[in-house]
Amino acid sequence: GAGVSQSPRYKVAKRGQDVALRCDPISGHVSLFWYQQALGQGPEFLTYFQNEAQLDKSGLPSDRFFAERPEGSVSTLKIQRTQQEDSAVYLCASTEGTPHEQFFGPGTRLTVL
Amino acid sequence: ILNVEQSPQSLHVQEGDSTNFTCSFPSSNFYALHWYRWETAKSPEALFVMTLNGDEKKKGRISATLNTKEGYSYLYIKGSQPEDSATYLCAFNLLKTQGGSEKLVFGKGTKLTVNP
Repeated sequence: GAGVSQSPRYKVAKRGQDVALRCDPISGHVSLFWYQQALGQGPEFLTYFQNEAQLDKSGLPSDRFFAERPEGSVSTLKIQRTQQEDSAVYLCASTEGTPHEQFFGPGTRLTVL
Repeated sequence: ILNVEQSPQSLHVQEGDSTNFTCSFPSSNFYALHWYRWETAKSPEALFVMTLNGDEKKKGRISATLNTKEGYSYLYIKGSQPEDSATYLCAFNLLKTQGGSEKLVFGKGTKLTVNP
């Protein structure tokens, strides 16, 4: 079956631009996570949804980061006024629930110039 | 601050060599330990999820062990092949009742290169 998909796969933005990153989770998966992987680091948690409810947004680095999942399926991570330090790979994962494996998408590589 | 340490950071081996990596994590409030394999430009692929102390899991030439009392896990690859070249990540879940959530806390990974 179809896995988790993310789009775009690559995004180049000028500093100050707004970007929107999309995640299509596996159909029927209740839980959805966003992670950020900076160069040389492991993925770091950003935010977590259970259906349409955002239950944990403790990892969002600033109020420029905003995530939504309005119908409990597709999710969008929006970054406003991008900065160079936002350059990273943004990974989305979905799961039926812990401690089951989280299924990851291929990520969006964001480069802010 | 929760910390997951992986070693070594990178590893170069010859085809046919066996190898192993280490993941250490906080032993208190443990819930589950995950191993992922991540090839460049692809999705991280789950290898194992382990929850019980003493767990040993195997998938082909790859196996993993778990010690929750001392807070470490080993990943072993027997007879490495060039297609095993990837970054191997470990991650753990905390107990939700102890302030954790379903999020994963990752290490920085071990980058394995297998030379033909």
